[in-house]
Amino acid sequence: EAGVAQSPRYKIIEKRQSVAFWCNPISGHATLYWYQQILGQGPKLLIQFQNNGVVDDSQLPKDRFSAERLKGVDSTLKIQPAKLEDSAVYLCASSLRDSYNEQFFGPGTRLTVL
Amino acid sequence: DQQVKQNSPSLSVQEGRISILNCDYTNSMFDYFLWYKKYPAEGPTFLISISSIKDKNEDGRFTVFLNKSAKHLSLHIVPSQPGDSAVYFCAASGGGSARQLTFGSGTQLTVLP
Repeated sequence: EAGVAQSPRYKIIEKRQSVAFWCNPISGHATLYWYQQILGQGPKLLIQFQNNGVVDDSQLPKDRFSAERLKGVDSTLKIQPAKLEDSAVYLCASSLRDSYNEQFFGPGTRLTVL
Repeated sequence: DQQVKQNSPSLSVQEGRISILNCDYTNSMFDYFLWYKKYPAEGPTFLISISSIKDKNEDGRFTVFLNKSAKHLSLHIVPSQPGDSAVYFCAASGGGSARQLTFGSGTQLTVLP
């Protein structure tokens, strides 16, 4: 069974630029999550999708972050414009439903904002 | 406001000995707790979990203990192996329909050969 795929693995941009991350969840997983992990901290949930609908985006900075999950499969997370404090690893995870004990994580995208 | 706290950023243990990783939480609505392990350049992987109706759950070398009155849980690894060297995250869930996870800041475990 293929795991959660993410790309790119690394990205370096300057502040005020825009960036997009892509996630392909495990086949058949209805729930998809985007997390932000700042160095020295645990992952923090940004947004949760159930199929192609948003379940919770209360911690997503909507003035600069956006996410979509078209057709209930792949998802993209965009930052526009980026700030220095957005430097972090962005993790995508998926699960069959909202089965929290079986969240499978991708390898993450390490973003550096200069 | 950190609802899940791991107060030890790092822990070193000799191979073959017991590793004990600790986690404290403040939200009394949490009713499910998990431990994830993370190697460098990889995403976290699920290790073991425990429901609030239990006080212990065991899976091979890994045992999680839950003390609800103290709002404290711990992960015991016996015996510790060099391959166990990783960052361990405690996570908690509960109180909402979406069953989201709130993570602690992690503990870097190093098992010395």
